[in-house]
Amino acid sequence: GAVVSQHPSRVICKSGTSVKIECRSLDFQATTMFWYRQFPKQSLMLMATSNEGSKATYEQGVEKDKFLINHASLTLSTLTVTSAHPEDSSFYICSARSGGAGETQYFGPGTRLLVL
Amino acid sequence: RKEVEQDPGPFNVPEGATVAFNCTYSNSASQSFFWYRQDCRKEPKLLMSVYSSGNEDGRFTAQLNRASQYISLLIRDSKLSDSATYLCVVKGNFNKFYFGSGTKLNVKP
Repeated sequence: GAVVSQHPSRVICKSGTSVKIECRSLDFQATTMFWYRQFPKQSLMLMATSNEGSKATYEQGVEKDKFLINHASLTLSTLTVTSAHPEDSSFYICSARSGGAGETQYFGPGTRLLVL
Repeated sequence: RKEVEQDPGPFNVPEGATVAFNCTYSNSASQSFFWYRQDCRKEPKLLMSVYSSGNEDGRFTAQLNRASQYISLLIRDSKLSDSATYLCVVKGNFNKFYFGSGTKLNVKP
């Protein structure tokens, strides 16, 4: 299957700082990338859909000014958690859709964020 | 009502057993369906897509029932390595993918 990477895999930061997470599709071009958040023992919750070259579409209840998404190229999308607080601590996972007729989403390995 | 609903389990089965999970979806216009597997503290990985005619991959069989709006996953001859959480995923309107909360499977020796 296609490969998606995420960086960093784990980050610990102080409350009030900003954290940037990168999501890259390594062997295919992804016109659409998705950002999810997963709390312990819960399912993935879609935060936003990121389309290359255009503004991200955020799900209801997700603050776009707090979770900044940039999808500058067909292989890279970034999520910046601004002024992080302890309640933002979570597992953040990106996924990318393969091109052409494929609808499969390929997931990155996730980023564990802990805000102290 | 949630877009996708699953029994959270856990399903505790012995090695070699056959186990089945169901998943219901609310949007009758949904066109694409998938089963993903997620191991503890890892990202989801695609297990199989679910086609209208059903599909089989080794010990795994997936079926779609549009009339009743559910999909199923059957695992035969369970292995210890099958222990994981199985996520039902449905593609809805505007190309959004909706995840079920997952069904946890524990295969015991």
